[in-house]
Amino acid sequence: KAGVTQTPRYLIKTRGQQVTLSCSPISGHRSVSWYQQTPGQGLQFLFEYFSETQRNKGNFPGRFSGRQFSNSRSEMNVSTLELGDSALYLCASSPRTGVPSRSYEQYFGPGTRLTVT
Amino acid sequence: GESVGLHLPTLSVQEGDNSIINCAYSNSASDYFIWYKQESGKGPQFIIDIRSNMDKRQGQRVTVLLNKTVKHLSLQIAATQPGDSAVYFCAENMSGGYQKVTFGIGTKLQVIP
Repeated sequence: KAGVTQTPRYLIKTRGQQVTLSCSPISGHRSVSWYQQTPGQGLQFLFEYFSETQRNKGNFPGRFSGRQFSNSRSEMNVSTLELGDSALYLCASSPRTGVPSRSYEQYFGPGTRLTVT
Repeated sequence: GESVGLHLPTLSVQEGDNSIINCAYSNSASDYFIWYKQESGKGPQFIIDIRSNMDKRQGQRVTVLLNKTVKHLSLQIAATQPGDSAVYFCAENMSGGYQKVTFGIGTKLQVIP
């Protein structure tokens, strides 16, 4: 079974631009979560999508948004990029069923390294 | 490879010795605790988990201990191997159906051959 894939793997953008990152979860997984990883802050939760609905959101400004498609693929978008948005953006999929369960076992992709100049 | 942390606490262990990685958590309402391993250039990989109503859980060469009194979590790796070199994160998650995992800052484990 193929793992979580993220595209692109590397991206360089300029301040003020916007960017869209893509994540394809493991086949059959319906939950997709996004994280931002920086040396100073570690791994920070951005949001989670399940069945095309955002179920949970971290403490990030509205410039960070996402969506999930009917095939569970997900995209996240960052508008008006700032230098501080430079980070590794990780996507994780989970085989959660939508009910409270031991659903935290997540499978991470390799990430997209975003550099804002 | 990519660096996942420039100022992480680092633990250096001789190959074959046991490693103990510690973590303090903050949310007493967390229901699950998880350990992840992240190798350079890769995303975190699930190692082992423990539910809040347990004190200890063992896996293959790994043991997780949970002390809720002092909000402390530890990961013990037996007979540490060079392939164990990575950054290890503890994470906590609250149940309730929604996925919101909070990660610690991480500890870098260096195995000395």
